[in-house]
Formats: sequence, structure tokens, C-alpha cells
Amino acid sequence: DTGVSQDPRHKITKRGQNVTFRCDPISEHNRLYWYRQTLGQGPEFLTYFQNEAQLEKSRLLSDRFSAERPKGSFSTLEIQRTEQGDSAMYLCASSPEGQNYGYTFGSGTRLTVV
Amino acid sequence: GQNIDQPTEMTATEGAIVQINCTYQTSGFNGLFWYQQHAGEAPTFLSYNVLDGLEEKGRFSSFLSRSKGYSYLLLKELQMKDSASYLCAPRDTGRRALTFGSGTRLQVQP
Repeated sequence: DTGVSQDPRHKITKRGQNVTFRCDPISEHNRLYWYRQTLGQGPEFLTYFQNEAQLEKSRLLSDRFSAERPKGSFSTLEIQRTEQGDSAMYLCASSPEGQNYGYTFGSGTRLTVV
Repeated sequence: GQNIDQPTEMTATEGAIVQINCTYQTSGFNGLFWYQQHAGEAPTFLSYNVLDGLEEKGRFSSFLSRSKGYSYLLLKELQMKDSASYLCAPRDTGRRALTFGSGTRLQVQP
């Protein structure tokens, strides 16, 4: 296992288009997280899955954002009707069961909305 | 909710010691993490504290005082490769997700 994989690495889209990102976590990790990061800021929490269940979702996440983890393995994050303010790095992370395990982050998908 | 406060930027000299402070307010507390993030890369896990005191791991140590809502990351024998952002992330009771501070950008100079 080579770690957390995210695809694509970069995405440029026109305002109003829909985009979908994929995350493949470390296979033994049952917890998966999506974060968004803009320049000079720390990662901002979006949503969290334990296996296939979406257990937590940020109040900052508008209705245009949706995430799935259908079989408890890979996850997708979709943004509908993209806006320029959605431009950011979208980070996926996974962790095993247990309190004191840190996340392993993927390299992220950089989204630019033009 | 959570409030997390870290200095925005710090500068230090190669070979020196630097301490990066973090104060936080959480409604409950269930551990605090430090991450390192090099420019353009993903954050990587550095340390975890859940009890008061100092945790040492090589050149890096992390300290926690739960009663004061305070933590620091201590970097010894600084190297140029330590130039990065350092993110403090306390965890609230009952949550699995971490809330990250804005990070401290450390510049190590020769």
C-alpha cells in the first residue's frame, strides 16, 4: 500500500460546472476525512466517514457539496455548480481505529475555478 | 466550537532551538496533534499529546497543559529542511475529526 491516493492532482473548471474528486485511503483504515485548504490557512474540515457511514459534516458545507463512500473503501467528493470561491486544495486523509492515530493525508486535488 | 491561536510566522537560525506555541479553547478535550506541512505538500503527522507533559521524539518534542489550554512544539538542532508550516490541531470530545489552526510558517535561515 503506497498511502492515500487522490485523483486528479489538478483540476481547472469553468464556473458553473460540476467536478468530482476521488480518494483511495490506506486499505486498513476505516476512517476517511475530507478537508479543504486555501493559501496561508490550515485545513478546514468538510466531512468524515467511518466505513461507509458519513458521521459528520461541516455546517460550512453548502448543498452544492456531496461526498460518498459507497463500499467503505474509496470516496468521492462532488461539487456542483462550482464558484470561484471553491478554488482550493481538497485534501483527503485516512486513519485507523483508535484515539491516538494521526491522519495520513493524500497529496490533494488542486481545484481552480475560472 | 474551537478557537486555536498560533503565531503566523517565525524565523530561526540553523542549529538553534525554536518553540512554536499554540493556545486553544475547546468545549471538551480529547488530544492534541501537531502536523508539519512543507509548501505545496500534504501535512504529515508529527506528534500526539493527550496527557499533560512533554513527549519527546528525536529532535522534536511536544508539550501539553490541559488546564491552560496550551501546547508547544519544540524543534532542536534546526535544519534547513525544517522550514515549513506547523499546524496545531486539538480534538474535541466526541469528535473524530480534527480542527486545525492556521499554522505557523517557520523559516530557517543559514
